[in-house]
Amino acid sequence: GNSVTQMEGPVTLSEEAFLTINCTYTATGYPSLFWYVQYPGEGLQLLLKATKADDKGSNKGFEATYRKETTSFHLEKGSVQVSDSAVYFCALSDRRGSTLGRLYFGRGTQLTVWP
Amino acid sequence: ETGVTQSPTHLIKTRGQQVTLRCSSQSGHNTVSWYQQALGQGPQFIFQYYREEENGRGNFPPRFSGLQFPNYSSELNVNALELDDSALYLCASSPGQGSYEQYFGPGTRLTVT
Repeated sequence: GNSVTQMEGPVTLSEEAFLTINCTYTATGYPSLFWYVQYPGEGLQLLLKATKADDKGSNKGFEATYRKETTSFHLEKGSVQVSDSAVYFCALSDRRGSTLGRLYFGRGTQLTVWP
Repeated sequence: ETGVTQSPTHLIKTRGQQVTLRCSSQSGHNTVSWYQQALGQGPQFIFQYYREEENGRGNFPPRFSGLQFPNYSSELNVNALELDDSALYLCASSPGQGSYEQYFGPGTRLTVT
């Protein structure tokens, strides 16, 4: 079946530190991979995505590369800011599934950045 | 362009009661999916509606039901509420054919006491 495993938090960093949040997946088909971010009291916002192997998704300084050989999609940012404090979710969507774009989420990683 | 909206924002119900949550999809989107996010967990897929028909269901009991209307807005109904139904309920819409990227609403926080 389809599943996502991501690094458990919480992750606490100082401003300008390097961020990595690990994510690995299991999929039966040909997944697209996503990172979503959830700020306190809000819904989910798409941060970045990649639809095939070796694609790199990027947005707002965040990057993640779709690695089929290691079934991974780790999130990285070179210099975090206080405003990056949020919960980050790794997710996959099986493009061959009958349910259009159904997402399978990891448990989320809480990131707190201190000034 | 108006995004996905949900109502109400917060809701408190008693165990055994019934609840209806509402979602207006983004303009031009004909597919709506519902997710349940328990505290400290990732969202779990409940079901999806495509052109007013249920198009897939996750591991949720039949007391979770839904509707989609001709304007593609949607309702989630939960009967016989249980304490474990307390969660954030998220609605997501997508354009459908050719693009399945999902756009999420802000959610409805349901508390069952």
